[in-house]
Amino acid sequence: EAQVTQNPRYLITVTGKKLTVTCSQNMNHEYMSWYRQDPGLGLRQIYYSMNVEVTDKGDVPEGYKVSRKEKRNFPLILESPSPNQTSLYFCASSLIRTGDSPLHFGNGTRLTVT
Amino acid sequence: RKEVEQDPGPFNVPEGATVAFNCTYSNSASQSFFWYRQDCRKEPKLLMSVYSSGNEDGRFTAQLNRASQYISLLIRDSKLSDSATYLCVVFPYGGATNKLIFGTGTLLAVQP
Repeated sequence: EAQVTQNPRYLITVTGKKLTVTCSQNMNHEYMSWYRQDPGLGLRQIYYSMNVEVTDKGDVPEGYKVSRKEKRNFPLILESPSPNQTSLYFCASSLIRTGDSPLHFGNGTRLTVT
Repeated sequence: RKEVEQDPGPFNVPEGATVAFNCTYSNSASQSFFWYRQDCRKEPKLLMSVYSSGNEDGRFTAQLNRASQYISLLIRDSKLSDSATYLCVVFPYGGATNKLIFGTGTLLAVQP
């Protein structure tokens, strides 16, 4: 089954404790992206990657890191999480030209930073 | 002005009703348009693309008005299962850039 898999689904952590949210897709998509979703603000792009070893900042990259060492994986790293990073996070993938093809989303990670 | 604006709702409608949502966008150079559906606490999923000539998929009709810079989604014969948040999504530029702009969504609640 074609899918984007995120883990974990729920995560509660404390300020400053490094964490990684994993994302993997099995559709051989070149483009991958991370979003956060907050009430009233919609989906905002954190980072995206157009191919292996190619990553770029989105609209809200501060406090996040990503890597794309393999085509299928695109982990999101929070080196020192803070409470304002409490949010619902989605990983997504598509063929490289997102203007022509839909985004496939993972089922989300709900992160709480205390 | 936000790049993509939607009425947040909620739209409360009875089963069988027809309901329409609009979405305005600010960039006149926008190239591609989509409606995504998001169920509560779930991931967004593509509902339909929006073509210049308008397009229909069953009970759903999408239209684009470039002159007034808005897209619309019409749902006929609403079902309880249509209850969800509908996200308007705009791809502002042609070419290889990959920045989709998401609206904040319109909440639809279909009542029995």
